[in-house]
Amino acid sequence: DGGITQSPKYLFRKEGQNVTLSCEQNLNHDAMYWYRQDPGQGLRLIYYSQIVNDFQKGDIAEGYSVSREKKESFPLTVTSAQKNPTAFYLCASSITPRETQYFGPGTRLLVL
Amino acid sequence: SQQGEEDPQALSIQEGENATMNCSYKTSINNLQWYRQNSGRGLVHLILIRSNEREKHSGRLRVTLDTSKKSSSLLITASRAADTASYFCATDALNDMRFGAGTRLTVKP
Repeated sequence: DGGITQSPKYLFRKEGQNVTLSCEQNLNHDAMYWYRQDPGQGLRLIYYSQIVNDFQKGDIAEGYSVSREKKESFPLTVTSAQKNPTAFYLCASSITPRETQYFGPGTRLLVL
Repeated sequence: SQQGEEDPQALSIQEGENATMNCSYKTSINNLQWYRQNSGRGLVHLILIRSNEREKHSGRLRVTLDTSKKSSSLLITASRAADTASYFCATDALNDMRFGAGTRLTVKP
């Protein structure tokens, strides 16, 4: 099956801890994105990548980091610098930037 | 920053009625997209309309685009309880898409 997967579904973070959210796609898409969604809100762009080994900050990149070492993978690390990390995190990919995005099922991050 | 803004924020209708949602945006676009999100899930793409198009149809969905007014509308005809979801418009920025806050649609059986 072609698609985009995220893991884990739920993630718990302790104070001062870094956690990494996984995003994998087998759609052969060049562009990948990370969004944050707070309850009842829209999506805010954290980071995006147009091609392997390249990524750009979105609107709310502070406290987050990413890597794009492989075309299929775009992991997001929520660092201890992110003081309010509780949210629903969505990963997406598209053939090229500005075209149709395909979303993963999301990861819900909670702080203990 | 969010580019599109949906209106209304919430909409409640009876099954069989039509639902209309609007999206306004601020800067020039190449395309505008509508997505649907069921509670706690990822978004699903519905329709993409390009700036040189005025109307597109897909099943029970009809999307219009008025670039002079910088607005778009999504019409769902003969709504069903399964249409209950949040609907988002997204407009293309320089190298990515920007999403609005969404319209929460509830269709009562």
